[in-house]
Amino acid sequence: DAKTTQPPSMDCAEGRAANLPCNHSTISGNEYVYWYRQIHSQGPQYIIHGLKNNETNEMASLIITEDRKSSTLILPHATLRDTAVYYCIVGYRGNTGKLIFGQGTTLQVKP
Amino acid sequence: DAGVIQSPRHEVTEMGQEVTLRCKPISGHDYLFWYRQTMMRGLELLIYFNNNVPIDDSGMPEDRFSAKMPNASFSTLKIQPSEPRDSAVYFCASSLPGEETQYFGPGTRLLVL
Repeated sequence: DAKTTQPPSMDCAEGRAANLPCNHSTISGNEYVYWYRQIHSQGPQYIIHGLKNNETNEMASLIITEDRKSSTLILPHATLRDTAVYYCIVGYRGNTGKLIFGQGTTLQVKP
Repeated sequence: DAGVIQSPRHEVTEMGQEVTLRCKPISGHDYLFWYRQTMMRGLELLIYFNNNVPIDDSGMPEDRFSAKMPNASFSTLKIQPSEPRDSAVYFCASSLPGEETQYFGPGTRLLVL
């Protein structure tokens, strides 16, 4: 499975967009990019996933570069409740592939 | 939908004792995953099942750990004998086949003294 690189921590002002980067330069052609987050003392929560096109749902947007070697998770209007560890994971579709969690990015949303 | 249910939520035990963690996946989910989370090693996949059959247990740390899924609505993770280094948060997750989303339970916080 391809590995990912994320900054260990980031700050964001409440109400502003939070842009979380992820590098996955060894991603293979049929591996997806998944984002999960883990709020303190809770289990991880799925956010969004994509293959090559940009994706948007009610929680966030995912921008994947054309070469697919990096991506950015965007929380358009961060709130204090978005403070969490955000994990970028690459893997094969479905459950034949495992989710390999790295260290993630700790996002601190500040008032 | 109640989500993934784990019990107990907290467990404190003494070294050498047997510990059993329980998980009830979301109804209809065919995949079940057990993870362990520590500060040192982060979130690690221990084992996962498909249709009650263990598919990959390469993450199980040693023979003291065992996992079973006797039916589609119940799984256990057993540690016997427990050691202080087993102290961690253990998460169970489930998902539908072909779906990208794993749904995690609230976790069991295990402390082995």
